[in-house]
Amino acid sequence: NAGVTQTPKFQVLKTGQSMTLQCAQDMNHEYMSWYRQDPGMGLRLIHYSVGAGITDQGEVPNGYNVSRSTTEDFPLRLLSAAPSQTSVYFCASSYGVEQYFGPGTRLTVT
Amino acid sequence: AQSVTQLDSHVSVSEGTPVLLRCNYSSSYSPSLFWYVQHPNKGLQLLLKYTSAATLVKGINGFEAEFKKSETSFHLTKPSAHMSDAAEYFCVVSEPPEYGNKLVFGAGTILRVKS
Repeated sequence: NAGVTQTPKFQVLKTGQSMTLQCAQDMNHEYMSWYRQDPGMGLRLIHYSVGAGITDQGEVPNGYNVSRSTTEDFPLRLLSAAPSQTSVYFCASSYGVEQYFGPGTRLTVT
Repeated sequence: AQSVTQLDSHVSVSEGTPVLLRCNYSSSYSPSLFWYVQHPNKGLQLLLKYTSAATLVKGINGFEAEFKKSETSFHLTKPSAHMSDAAEYFCVVSEPPEYGNKLVFGAGTILRVKS
C-alpha cells in the first residue's frame, strides 16, 4: 500500500491564481480530511469527508473547496490564492480512530 | 466542543534527563487522545494513542502518556532524552467517528535536547 499520497510536494503561486492540491489513499478509508499547518498554531481542519459524495467544513474553510467523487481521492481547490494561504497542507484518511497523514504540500503564495 | 492546550511552547532538556510535555484537553465526549511528533521539514508520526483502554499508554521510542480524567490531562513523558528526540510534539483530541473523526490539535511544543 502506498498509504496517503499528496501532490505536489511544493508549489509557488501568485496572488489570484487557482490550483488543486491532490490527495489519494489506497486503504479504502471512508474518512478523509485536509489540514493546514501554520507556525505556533498546530494543524487546523479545513474540510473533511465521511464518504464519497459527502463533504463538510472544518475550522478554516474560507477560500477552499473540496469534492469527494470517489473513496480514494479528495482534492483541495484554491479558487483565488491569497498570501494568507501560504502554509503546509496535510491530507489524512482514517477508518477508525487512528488517522494516517500524507507527507504534506508546502504552498507559497506571493 | 473540543480543545487542547499544550502548556509549554518550548521545552529544553539535557540529553539523558527526563522529558515532560504537558497537555490538557476539553471534550464533550469520551475522548480519544494522541501524541504526534514532527521532525523539522518532515511529516507527522504517531507516537501513541489513548482510546479508553489502559490509562497508561506506551508508545514508540520509549515515550508514554497517562490519561487522567479527573485532571483532564494527557502528559507525555520519557525517562531519558536522546538527541534524536528534538522535534515538535502535538497533543491531539479526536471527535468520535459519528462526528467525522475530526482532529483538534494543540499549538505544539518544541523540544530541544542539549548535549
